[in-house]
Amino acid sequence: EVQLVESGGGLVKPGGSLRLSCVAYEFSFGDYTMNWVRQAPGKGLEWVSAISSGGGYIYYVDSVKGRFTISRDNAKKTVFLQMKRLRAEDTAVYYCARGVVDYSLDLWGQGTLVTVSS
Amino acid sequence: QSVLTQPPSASGTPGQRVAISCSGSRSNIGSSTVNWYQQLPGTAPKLLMYSNNQRPSGVPDRFSGSKSGTSASLAISGLQSEDEADYYCATWDDSLNGPVFGGGTKLTVL
Repeated sequence: EVQLVESGGGLVKPGGSLRLSCVAYEFSFGDYTMNWVRQAPGKGLEWVSAISSGGGYIYYVDSVKGRFTISRDNAKKTVFLQMKRLRAEDTAVYYCARGVVDYSLDLWGQGTLVTVSS
Repeated sequence: QSVLTQPPSASGTPGQRVAISCSGSRSNIGSSTVNWYQQLPGTAPKLLMYSNNQRPSGVPDRFSGSKSGTSASLAISGLQSEDEADYYCATWDDSLNGPVFGGGTKLTVL
């Protein structure tokens, strides 16, 4: 089945680190831009980061620049989000999503919850 | 505060037509195409419309999209109870040099 499966979420203290993973199944992962989108509890969607198919283009929203790092391993069909110096406002469900035409996201994972709290 | 403005809520009765607006500026909607997402309660978002008015496979033709200038709109005709969800517009912003979402609109089917 064509799908994305995230993992790595959990409870972490402010200032801590976490690494999210997203594994792709049944499609040609290396052909697509991959994205991380988050949703704080009861709030809207926020685009966090994106990485092009070959890794040559990388985007971060201003609020995570210098703290988060996106990367991908096309051989393992996996995209990562390394999160450091986490803050309470980073608490959210983090979704992995496949990017297609005109920056649309046509395939989403089920999400992984990151909670930053002491 | 999102750079794309959507009404926080909308409502309609079964069978009715409703429209959800998304207002931006020249640096985003004015210079790029708009995509729409539907998020049912407790689930991941789903692509509903791309490139202003293109429906992905499986999306009913009750859903339609349009764009004019710096605004876009998602219309739902023949409203059904299962359309009750949150709807988000999204596009590229040249000033931010990145993609952005609207704040979302909660659609209630009365």
